[in-house]
Amino acid sequence: DARVTQTPRHKVTEMGQEVTMRCQPILGHNTVFWYRQTMMQGLELLAYFRNRAPLDDSGMPKDRFSAEMPDATLATLKIQPSEPRDSAVYFCASGLGVTGTTYTDTQYFGPGTRLTVL
Amino acid sequence: AQKITQTQPGMFVQEKEAVTLDCTYDTSDPSYGLFWYKQPSSGEMIFLIYQGSYDQQNATEGRYSLNFQKARKSANLVISASQLGDSAMYFCAMNTGFQKLVFGTGTRLLVSP
Repeated sequence: DARVTQTPRHKVTEMGQEVTMRCQPILGHNTVFWYRQTMMQGLELLAYFRNRAPLDDSGMPKDRFSAEMPDATLATLKIQPSEPRDSAVYFCASGLGVTGTTYTDTQYFGPGTRLTVL
Repeated sequence: AQKITQTQPGMFVQEKEAVTLDCTYDTSDPSYGLFWYKQPSSGEMIFLIYQGSYDQQNATEGRYSLNFQKARKSANLVISASQLGDSAMYFCAMNTGFQKLVFGTGTRLLVSP
């Protein structure tokens, strides 16, 4: 049963600390997405990659957030320095990346990382 | 701009009954995909069903069906024979081809025995 995996599942840190979240997309998927979920804003897209190349990170606060895909099996989201307002659940999702009709591409979500910044 | 509207913050249904969760969307793109996800209390987002804008028939997946009314721009999720395990948040989402899913605010469904 292929699934997106995320680590850690929970993270509590203090303001100013660096946070790194990791995601392993489903094998064979070539699109990876990072979402953030909060009560106030709901689900927001932060960034996404296709074939490991960043296509859009306009949803991400540029000064403190960075997203990378060192290889096809690992995506990372870093926050440095972290702030209390970054407290949220961060989801990674992956999709096959169907060319031509990209609106049909189903995204499969990981279990999320619940981040609390004190 | 693309927008998804879910007007029901909460819905209640008795076990074994059917329930309809509403979703309306707004887009000027002729090509789009509509998705429903389930988020149980454990927090994961589970893909349920997909409907493409050019699909002639309503999508069905087991007990889930999508009532797609293109002229009304609605994509309601119908759950037949509700089960206790269906209690969760349900999100409607749209993808217009830039691979960005736009989500609604969700509907919390509670299934009672």
